[in-house]
Amino acid sequence: DAGVTQSPTHLIKTRGQQVTLRCSPKSGHDTVSWYQQALGQGPQFIFQYYEEEERQRGNFPDRFSGHQFPNYSSELNVNALLLGDSALYLCASSFRTSRSYEQYFGPGTRLTVT
Amino acid sequence: DAKTTQPNSMESNEEEPVHLPCNHSTISGTDYIHWYRQLPSQGPEYVIHGLTSNVNNRMASLAIAEDRKSSTLILHRATLRDAAVYYCILREGLYNFNKFYFGSGTKLNVKP
Repeated sequence: DAGVTQSPTHLIKTRGQQVTLRCSPKSGHDTVSWYQQALGQGPQFIFQYYEEEERQRGNFPDRFSGHQFPNYSSELNVNALLLGDSALYLCASSFRTSRSYEQYFGPGTRLTVT
Repeated sequence: DAKTTQPNSMESNEEEPVHLPCNHSTISGTDYIHWYRQLPSQGPEYVIHGLTSNVNNRMASLAIAEDRKSSTLILHRATLRDAAVYYCILREGLYNFNKFYFGSGTKLNVKP
């Protein structure tokens, strides 16, 4: 059973560019959440998708947007990249009606903005 | 947003118990307490969670204070593989959608 997968593993972009990160949830999961983890910090919640709609959002600007596809996979898009967007971006999946609400995290995508 | 406070780092000897504390004085009645850990170069992984009662699983135990303003994660016999950053997280339980608030976590160092 494949866990949460993310692509690419690493990415280098220039300020002002746009980036798309991809996530495939664990088999059977229908909810995807995205987190940003700066170096030495805990993950910060960006947003969560369920049934192809954004259900919850953290304190992130509109430059951060997402999408969920019918097969439950998801994309995170960041426009007009800033140096401060350099971080590890984590995707987590869960099953909405699970009593434990346990989230399974992928290994992340390391984004470097120069 | 719900907040948690944890010590920045702790150290333990291998095969000894470890008690990792967490303060969450602003917790609401419907907030669940979750613990995740993050091994080097990996995403966080679930450890345990609870609401009011103490909880045990194969990885650890969770002791929750009676007023729920603090909790303690207990690793009964630390191993070198338990060296990680441990996050105490409050999950808003009001809705069915998971919104996790991570703090800075406690970096656990296990000495052989």
